[in-house]
Amino acid sequence: QSVLTQPPSVSGAPGQRVTISCTGTSSNIGAGYDVHWYQQLPGTAPKLLVYVNDIRPSGVPDRISASKSDTSASLAITGLQAEDEGDYYCQSYDSGLSIWVFGGGTKLTVL
Amino acid sequence: QLQLQESGPGLVKPSETLSLTCTVSGGSITRSSYYWGWIRQPPGKGLEWIATISYNGGTSYNPSLKSQVTISVDTSKNQFSLKLKSVTAADTAVYYCARHVDKTLTAYFDPWGQGSLVTVSS
Repeated sequence: QSVLTQPPSVSGAPGQRVTISCTGTSSNIGAGYDVHWYQQLPGTAPKLLVYVNDIRPSGVPDRISASKSDTSASLAITGLQAEDEGDYYCQSYDSGLSIWVFGGGTKLTVL
Repeated sequence: QLQLQESGPGLVKPSETLSLTCTVSGGSITRSSYYWGWIRQPPGKGLEWIATISYNGGTSYNPSLKSQVTISVDTSKNQFSLKLKSVTAADTAVYYCARHVDKTLTAYFDPWGQGSLVTVSS
């Protein structure tokens, strides 16, 4: 059971918009710790997709966006493309456990 | 461009010690405000933070693994290392090293190494 809760899977057709939620508690996201998102394409290492809640690193397209509110965060991908298919993880810090925590991951399928 | 590369044995016997090294290229491991971490991913499962070290040796460990884990840094070689003792099959995973950007209320991992699959089996 992960400290940050994500849906196991989401799917969408090419061109559509999908969102992935990340739900935490008052000891992590709700305590003010930032949320970061990673994309893991099949057979590859995770790659930073969004940091500090809503900032895209250089090279990440603007059809990727993210937000944070209260004890949760969300990642949105618009104009879905086949190459977006993979696993997505949120990450934050938990002050109760004193560890950096990841969500359980969400598998994105492009139909 | 900063790059990280894990190295070490791909097979470790139960009860023995898993040892991995991460070589950092394209930048100095001694740059302040950066830390260096290890994360693992069991086959088909999610990510778990293991440990983090600063260039001057300050360490943080996941409490669930603290008794098993040692992280160290060798600034002369621009490397940092992980040792996990008394391994079991549950320690079979892909082990990633990553730069750990750690600031007040925010810390993330970027970039990551390509990962090293370590299998614990006799």
